[in-house]
Amino acid sequence: QKEVEQNSGPLSVPEGAIASLNCTYSDRGSQSFFWYRQYSGKSPELIMFIYSNGDKEDGRFTAQLNKASQYVSLLIRDSQPSDSATYLCALGEGGGADGLTFGKGTHLIIQP
Amino acid sequence: SQTIHQWPATLVQPVGSPLSLECTVEGTSNPNLYWYRQAAGRGLQLLFYSVGIGQISSEVPQNLSASRPQDRQFILSSKKLLLSDSGFYLCAWSVDRGLYEQYFGPGTRLTVT
Repeated sequence: QKEVEQNSGPLSVPEGAIASLNCTYSDRGSQSFFWYRQYSGKSPELIMFIYSNGDKEDGRFTAQLNKASQYVSLLIRDSQPSDSATYLCALGEGGGADGLTFGKGTHLIIQP
Repeated sequence: SQTIHQWPATLVQPVGSPLSLECTVEGTSNPNLYWYRQAAGRGLQLLFYSVGIGQISSEVPQNLSASRPQDRQFILSSKKLLLSDSGFYLCAWSVDRGLYEQYFGPGTRLTVT
């Protein structure tokens, strides 16, 4: 059974600092990896996806993937109070329309 | 651009009552559609997914069912709700962009009393 592990937090980061969110997974067959942001009471919003080893940058966000270590991370630079949310890591097998497997999420708090 | 709708937004139902949640997608054709449930303290759990009209794959055995009567419509149903059915029900869609990234609707918060 596929498992996705995230530290539930809360992870507290001062405003302007780098927030680092981590995720490990058990299924070596996983091919695609996603980060979603979920504000309290709202639905998840896709913010990044990655499928190749290495880094992928989009604005203040950087996703990092290491398939050998089965590890995915999300870095948020210049953290803002509006970044305070729960961040969900999800994985898919890629190349198909199957559903995603989600971690339980990390609660991030950006302190002004 | 694509838009996904879910209704109702909130629902309070007694145990043993029926359920019908609806999801519709606009702005795309032949989407893949998904139902997830997010229960308190748990991650998102995939319930059903569909790659076309009348094609339903079930991921978790339970007292829920899904149907896809039209290309952009996905319905989640139950004949008799249990207390354990309470949660945040999310519909999502994807299309083939190489990775099938999924986009979620606003969700329905269901409380079974």
